[in-house]
Amino acid sequence: GQNIDQPTEMTATEGAIVQINCTYQTSGFNGLFWYQQHAGEAPTFLSYNVLDGLEEKGRFSSFLSRSKGYSYLLLKELQMKDSASYLCAVRDSNYQLIWGAGTKLIIKP
Amino acid sequence: IAGITQAPTSQILAAGRRMTLRCTQDMRHNAMYWYRQDLGLGLRLIHYSNTAGTTGKGEVPDGYSVSRANTDDFPLTLASAVPSQTSVYFCASSDGTSGGPSIFGPGTRLTVL
Repeated sequence: GQNIDQPTEMTATEGAIVQINCTYQTSGFNGLFWYQQHAGEAPTFLSYNVLDGLEEKGRFSSFLSRSKGYSYLLLKELQMKDSASYLCAVRDSNYQLIWGAGTKLIIKP
Repeated sequence: IAGITQAPTSQILAAGRRMTLRCTQDMRHNAMYWYRQDLGLGLRLIHYSNTAGTTGKGEVPDGYSVSRANTDDFPLTLASAVPSQTSVYFCASSDGTSGGPSIFGPGTRLTVL
């Protein structure tokens, strides 16, 4: 079966750096997505990786290793507003998105 | 409106009733999606449409139907609601750059009793 694994919850301190991991087992690979979702709100698109390596976008970076079935989202200079759930999703060989359950990130002062 | 609107925001529905969730976008995106989100589970695709006039089944299509008469509107219908359809429903669209949903609507919280 197809599977996306992310930690259920993480806690970090304001101003620090946090890495949220995502491992996947899917039938084929056609890209990996990260979304942010604040409680009670809709997901918002953060990043898309299709090739190995690091994609940097401001305070957020996303890394992909296709050979390891692994990605991470790196958040720097954490702010209280970064408290949210972070969703990892992989597009399989049928171009269907398989979603992880999300990682709830709690930022403490 | 510059984005996606969904209606209603929330609804309590008696089991067996028919219900249509509305979704409208003004970005002229070709691809649109309907997801449901349940606690502890990832988003699950119900139905999708790659362009006006075409629709396809997602991961959990049973009990739901969609239509795509034009680019802007993508309504989701529950023919005869059941309690297991209690969920938060998100409509989304794609601008085509990555192939995944780029914008989500605010969601409809549906409770079926």
